[in-house]
Amino acid sequence: EVQLVQSGAEVKKPGESLKISCKGSGYIFTNYWIGWVRQMSGQGLEWIGFIFPGDSDTRYSPSFQGQVTISADKSINTAYLQWGTLKASDTAMYYCVKRSLAARNFDYWGQGTLVTVSS
Amino acid sequence: QSVLTQPPSVSGAPGQRVTISCTGNSSNIGAGYDVHWYQQLPGTAPKLLIYANTNRPSGVPDRFSGSKSVTSASLAITGLQAEDEADYYCQSSDSSLSVVFGGGTELTVL
Repeated sequence: EVQLVQSGAEVKKPGESLKISCKGSGYIFTNYWIGWVRQMSGQGLEWIGFIFPGDSDTRYSPSFQGQVTISADKSINTAYLQWGTLKASDTAMYYCVKRSLAARNFDYWGQGTLVTVSS
Repeated sequence: QSVLTQPPSVSGAPGQRVTISCTGNSSNIGAGYDVHWYQQLPGTAPKLLIYANTNRPSGVPDRFSGSKSVTSASLAITGLQAEDEADYYCQSSDSSLSVVFGGGTELTVL
């Protein structure tokens, strides 16, 4: 059974750094793109980017390029999303997603990690 | 402003049929990229509902169906049930952005 298990909720202050994680299981981690989707409170879904753990090829949405960093550690089947300097506007739910091979959809989703940035 | 356009809300009575549209352009749906649909029940993560325009993952009832035309796609739900009340999102690919979503449609079962 494919599972994406994300790290727990975070409360941070503006200017702090943060790295959240997503552990994949039940499939060959290195063979599929894994990425992140943001959902701000009461809003829609926004694609942030994804990484191919097999060779660390990474793609970002232009809206998020330079704002976050996506990485992966294939030795422990885990992907990461990190911020160097958090802003209040980064407050949102972040979902980890696995991309299907052929259809370019996201066939499995993590449970979500709520990030709250507040002074 | 989402790249793909969906109506903000639709509604229908139990047993009725509703459709949700998803309109793109020549860079995404019109370029031949597939459209996928997700259902997000209140307080939960989205779930894949329809993939590659018309296909249902295992476990999705056949009350849900998808279609695609030149620059748009539609999700149809027949025999509407109270448990269908959720937000629905379309998603496609785009030659410049890689992944694009619609703004989402809130379905209310009256």
